[in-house]
Amino acid sequence: AQRVTQPEKLLSVFKGAPVELKCNYSYSGSPELFWYVQYSRQRLQLLLRHISRESIKGFTADLNKGETSFHLKKPFAQEEDSAMYYCALSGMSISRLTFGEGTQLTVNP
Amino acid sequence: DAGVIQSPRHEVTEMGQEVTLRCKPISGHNSLFWYRQTMMRGLELLIYFNNNVPIDDSGMPEDRFSAKMPNASFSTLKIQPSEPRDSAVYFCATSREDRGLVGELFFGEGSRLTVL
Repeated sequence: AQRVTQPEKLLSVFKGAPVELKCNYSYSGSPELFWYVQYSRQRLQLLLRHISRESIKGFTADLNKGETSFHLKKPFAQEEDSAMYYCALSGMSISRLTFGEGTQLTVNP
Repeated sequence: DAGVIQSPRHEVTEMGQEVTLRCKPISGHNSLFWYRQTMMRGLELLIYFNNNVPIDDSGMPEDRFSAKMPNASFSTLKIQPSEPRDSAVYFCATSREDRGLVGELFFGEGSRLTVL
C-alpha cells in the first residue's frame, strides 16, 4: 500500500520568511515523488518532481529515503506563493498518483 | 490545446437523482483519471483508464458510482442515486504514457457537485 501524509492543513508565513511544507510517505518499493500546486482559480498543476532535481519558482524538495520524507522548501516566501500544495507519490504504476491531503499556504504581506 | 475539458462546472441536485460528469482528455493522452476532492480527505483516486480500459477502480466508493470511457476522446463518471455525502469537486486528469512525461497529470477545472 502507498500513503502520503501532509501533517499541516494550513500554514501561514510572512513575506520573505522561509517556508517548509512537510510531506511523508509510506511505500515499500522505490517511489517517485511530486509536488502539485493549485493557485486560486487555476487548475491543479505539477510544480516539481524529485527525479528532475530542479528548482521551480524558488522551491526545492529533496527525497530523504531514510526519513521517508519529501519536504518542499523555499528560503524567501512571496505573496504569489499562496496556494494549495499537494504532495504525490507514484509507485507500482507510473502514472497512478496517490496524493496527500494538501497544505493551504498563505503568505502574508 | 484547451486542455482537459470537464462539464458541468457546477451541478446542484437533489438526493436520489442521477448525476453524470463528463471529461474530454487532451488529444494523444492515453491515461485518464477521475479524482474526488474534499476538505477532509484531499484528493482521492476513484478510477483510472489506460487506452480506454479501466485498470483500477478500487477507489470507487460503492456501486452507486460507475465510470466509462467509450473512446479515447470521452469519459463519464455517473452517480446513481446521488447522496449528500457525494458533494465534492470531481477532477478528471490525463497523462501520456511516455518516459519523458512520467507522472505529470494534466487536470481539468473540476466539476463541483452539491447534493441537497
